[in-house]
Amino acid sequence: QVQLQESGPGLVKPSETLSLTCTVSGGSISNYYWSWIRQPPGKGLEWIAYFYHTGSTTYNPSLKSRVTISVDTSKNQFSLKLNSLTAADTAVYYCARYDMMPTGSRYFDFWGQGTLVTVSS
Amino acid sequence: EIVLTQSPATLSLSPGERATLSCRASQSVSPYLAWYQQKPGQAPRLLIYDASNRATGIPARFSGSGSGTDFTLTISSLEPEDFAVYYCQQRSNVPETFGQGTKLEIK
Repeated sequence: QVQLQESGPGLVKPSETLSLTCTVSGGSISNYYWSWIRQPPGKGLEWIAYFYHTGSTTYNPSLKSRVTISVDTSKNQFSLKLNSLTAADTAVYYCARYDMMPTGSRYFDFWGQGTLVTVSS
Repeated sequence: EIVLTQSPATLSLSPGERATLSCRASQSVSPYLAWYQQKPGQAPRLLIYDASNRATGIPARFSGSGSGTDFTLTISSLEPEDFAVYYCQQRSNVPETFGQGTKLEIK
């Protein structure tokens, strides 16, 4: 069964860049779409982007100008960079697999445990 | 951006009772609507996709229905482990969006 694990700093300063990595085990990163999703403390979920290992990426327009996604198939990892941070970017960041269901639609079927990132000076 | 509005915000029920959760979209999303369950300190878990299809391993007491802009998640007989927050999500249009959640709590 596929497992995902996020890693990265828990505290980042305002105006700086957040860098997170998701390590996938139990399956090849090359065969699926993947995604980043975040959740501010006590609030709902916000989709950030989904992508394929070839580089094809779809972004949330509200975040597109600040987001960079990269993939390292040799390490079975993918990464998120979010720049120009403010306190509003404080959230638990999840990586998730964006897989095709038997109906042909894609949904987030496996998730990492999430990592809390706090933006504060 | 499609806005999903979930109701009620909080639902207080007892084990064994039937739970009915609602999700209304600001425009049609049929059939591209999913439901997720989230317990404290855990990631969301996919329950239902394309409005009415149970995800792998999800018990039969969970069912989804609806079309167009109005969708429902029904839990036929609540088990203690079902008390959690439930989110709906649409993938009809980019950006994919989630509802604000319904907290299902023990009465």
